[in-house]
Amino acid sequence: QKEVEQNSGPLSVPEGAIASLNCTYSDRGSQSFFWYRQYSGKSPELIMSIYSNGDKEDGRFTAQLNKASQYVSLLIRDSQPSDSATYLCAVNKGWMNYGGSQGNLIFGKGTKLSVKP
Amino acid sequence: SQTIHQWPATLVQPVGSPLSLECTVEGTSNPNLYWYRQAAGRGLQLLFYSVGIGQISSEVPQNLSASRPQDRQFILSSKKLLLSDSGFYLCAWTRQGPEAFFGQGTRLTVV
Repeated sequence: QKEVEQNSGPLSVPEGAIASLNCTYSDRGSQSFFWYRQYSGKSPELIMSIYSNGDKEDGRFTAQLNKASQYVSLLIRDSQPSDSATYLCAVNKGWMNYGGSQGNLIFGKGTKLSVKP
Repeated sequence: SQTIHQWPATLVQPVGSPLSLECTVEGTSNPNLYWYRQAAGRGLQLLFYSVGIGQISSEVPQNLSASRPQDRQFILSSKKLLLSDSGFYLCAWTRQGPEAFFGQGTRLTVV
C-alpha cells in the first residue's frame, strides 16, 4: 500500500470555480500534513500546513484534515489560471521526533491542476 | 529572512563521472538540512538529512553520499554516476518546526 496517495489528474476546472484536491495516507501515526504547489520545472512551494482535525483557511486556500479517515484535502476557491500547477500532499510521521526528522516528509506523486480561462 | 541556494541549476554528466551538488542556507543558524530527489513519474524521495556539522543520516541506500562541512552547507556527492541517478535534486531546510522549505533544485541528466 502506497503511503501517500493522490489522484494524478489532470484535474481541470474553469476559472472562478472551486478546485478540490484529495490525499489519503496509510500511517495512522502521522501528525503533520502539508500541501505544496509545484510549477513545471520549479521546486515545491509550501502553501498550507495542518496538524489537527478540521479546516484551516488561508486566503483562497482551505486545508481539511480527517485523521479518522486518514484523509487530507485542499480546496482552492475562485481558481485562477495562475493556480495551474501540480499539488503535492506530504505527510510527516511525527514532528515531535527531534533529531532532524521533522523534515522527513513522505510525498504523494501529486495532482496536476489546470485552470481554464 | 531565510533563503536557500542550490547550484548548479542544470547539469548533464556522463555515466561514471563524479558529482557534487551544493546547497547553502542564509539567514538562520543550525538548520536541519535535507536532500530529496524527484525522479520522472515518481514522488519526492528523501535521500539524506543532517542535524549538524558532520552528522548525516541516510534514508535510502544508493550510489550517493552527503556531507555537511559547515553549519549552513550541505553537499551531495557521487563517485560514479549511474543512469538511474538522473532526476531533480532538491535541498530543503527546517528550523524548529516540521515545515520544510526547498531550494531551487538541480536538474541532473546522466547520459
